[in-house]
Amino acid sequence: AQSVTQLGSHVSVSEGALVLLRCNYSSSVPPYLFWYVQYPNQGLQLLLKYTSAATLVKGINGFEAEFKKSETSFHLTKPSAHMSDAAEYFCAVSMNTGFQKLVFGTGTRLLVSP
Amino acid sequence: EAGVTQSPTHLIKTRGQQATLRCSPISGHTSVYWYQQALGLGLQFLLWYDEGEERNRGNFPPRFSGRQFPNYSSELNVNALELEDSALYLCASEGALLYSNQPQHFGDGTRLSIL
Repeated sequence: AQSVTQLGSHVSVSEGALVLLRCNYSSSVPPYLFWYVQYPNQGLQLLLKYTSAATLVKGINGFEAEFKKSETSFHLTKPSAHMSDAAEYFCAVSMNTGFQKLVFGTGTRLLVSP
Repeated sequence: EAGVTQSPTHLIKTRGQQATLRCSPISGHTSVYWYQQALGLGLQFLLWYDEGEERNRGNFPPRFSGRQFPNYSSELNVNALELEDSALYLCASEGALLYSNQPQHFGDGTRLSIL
């Protein structure tokens, strides 16, 4: 069964600093990987997705992630944090099997200080 | 284009009662997924409906059930409510191409509180 591990339940950065949110997956087949963001009292919004095309994926709001098969990782980065980036971020994995069911990590709350 | 809409936004019930949550998918989407987001437990897959049929369910007891209507909207029913059912329930919809790995589009959720 596939699974996702997000290292660090909370990450704190200063405004303008690099954002790095870590995600490692386990899967017996090449996975599809996603990053979602959740703002308070809202649902999940897709940031970016990896579907076996380019390994470096660019998403919305200046975020990007790199798929590294050798490290089974899909870390999310942003060069310069903004106050509006403060939210909870979820990494998710889906298999290319007969049905769609996202398996989510436990989430990382990003805190941005002025 | 309207996104995934869920109602009600908040729902307060007492133990033993029954709750009904509703979800309207994005126009043209035929698959609806339900997830539970409980404090400290992350997002857990509940149910998947497609073309009116239940296709898969997560590791939840039978008192969690639902259905999908001909217009692809969906209801989630939770019977005999327990305190640990307090959570944000998220609905997501997906397009008709089941095997294309189209991202799921989420609603803003229904927050269910059990007193």
